[in-house]
Amino acid sequence: GEDVEQSLFLSVREGDSSVINCTYTDSSSTYLYWYKQEPGAGLQLLTYIFSNMDMKQDQRLTVLLNKKDKHLSLRIADTQTGDSAIYFCAEFTGGYNKLIFGAGTRLAVHP
Amino acid sequence: KAGVTQTPRYLIKTRGQQVTLSCSPISGHRSVSWYQQTPGQGLQFLFEYFSETQRNKGNFPGRFSGRQFSNSRSEMNVSTLELGDSALYLCASSSQGNEQFFGPGTRLTVL
Repeated sequence: GEDVEQSLFLSVREGDSSVINCTYTDSSSTYLYWYKQEPGAGLQLLTYIFSNMDMKQDQRLTVLLNKKDKHLSLRIADTQTGDSAIYFCAEFTGGYNKLIFGAGTRLAVHP
Repeated sequence: KAGVTQTPRYLIKTRGQQVTLSCSPISGHRSVSWYQQTPGQGLQFLFEYFSETQRNKGNFPGRFSGRQFSNSRSEMNVSTLELGDSALYLCASSSQGNEQFFGPGTRLTVL
């Protein structure tokens, strides 16, 4: 089956690290994505990881993938107020050419 | 390189009417996908087109249809609008399937 789950809310202090977690069920997923959505906007592609990788780092963003547990996480270092948004985890099923999204995690950054 | 563009950005219709939304993908991208975003159901896949052919369709009624033109631009049509069709409709373009870039969306309100 296809299912992606995320916690719904995360609150962090400015300057701290944020870790957003996600679990997925489709073992045939080829790519796993993180998107950011700000109010009234579309989805911004932050980063993605190929399913045969364990980790990917891109500036302040670190993605960890545990394929055995089907667990994906996004770490944002030195979180800023501009990082406040909803973050979506998504899996790409190549055979069906579609993204399956989680419900999104609302990240609130406070001073 | 210009991003994905969607028109119109906002639309208000009444029940029973029909609507057409347009998406222009990133230059060179041949795959266009459509997603519906609502507070209750989250992000759901509608359909995907590649080189004018629909390759995959989500679990939506036949009132939802789409097409893709030879220049890769895509349109989606919803006939006999219902109140529940009120949503943000997002279009994504891709060249290889791994990087899916989204447009700003069209917000449809059905009264």
